[in-house]
Amino acid sequence: DTEVTQTPKHLVMGMTNKKSLKCEQHMGHRAMYWYKQKAKKPPELMFVYSYEKLSINESVPSRFSPECPNSSLLNLHLHALQPEDSALYLCASSQTQGRHNEQFFGPGTRLTVL
Amino acid sequence: KQEVTQIPAALSVPEGENLVLNCSFTDSAIYNLQWFRQDPGKGLTSLLLIQSSQREQTSGRLNASLDKSSGRSTLYIAASQPGDSATYLCAVSNTGNQFYFGTGTSLTVIP
Repeated sequence: DTEVTQTPKHLVMGMTNKKSLKCEQHMGHRAMYWYKQKAKKPPELMFVYSYEKLSINESVPSRFSPECPNSSLLNLHLHALQPEDSALYLCASSQTQGRHNEQFFGPGTRLTVL
Repeated sequence: KQEVTQIPAALSVPEGENLVLNCSFTDSAIYNLQWFRQDPGKGLTSLLLIQSSQREQTSGRLNASLDKSSGRSTLYIAASQPGDSATYLCAVSNTGNQFYFGTGTSLTVIP
């Protein structure tokens, strides 16, 4: 099973709302990633978790708050977002860090901020 | 910081043609390079992973090569089909857990 699942598929929220994105994998991977992708642009790395610890934060605004409750789950908590945060949010996982870490992506959550 | 460029940005070919997509990167000290395809509004599907010690990888009609010293990788697609129409992205990793994506090539295969 090489599947990464993400929920919800679509999310519309106002600037004062609090919502969460969820990502799950059951491949035994110990690295998990959040990316943001705007239309016709490549994915941009936001956060990396390694062995359930935050290892990389690419200077992401604090209105995005990641959480890794266990090795299979990754959440992204959203609060006080701006319309420019509307994008496709992608989750990925990989077995290990290093030369063998093939990344597997989920289908993404399409976020619209009104 | 690693800069990754893909040429061409868009490509349109008739069905059955063989084609080559290019990926260039500025820092040759990479751990690995991965090729993906992305259908509109969807997630990324992994096609091939080439480790820094490898020269090429093959999967079905796909063949990816890596020339670290020159900072280049190519993705060769044989006998293209309309189902191959998608955006193709390459991503390089310098540290093992930080990936830099290229700008992508949008491929259209005309029946």
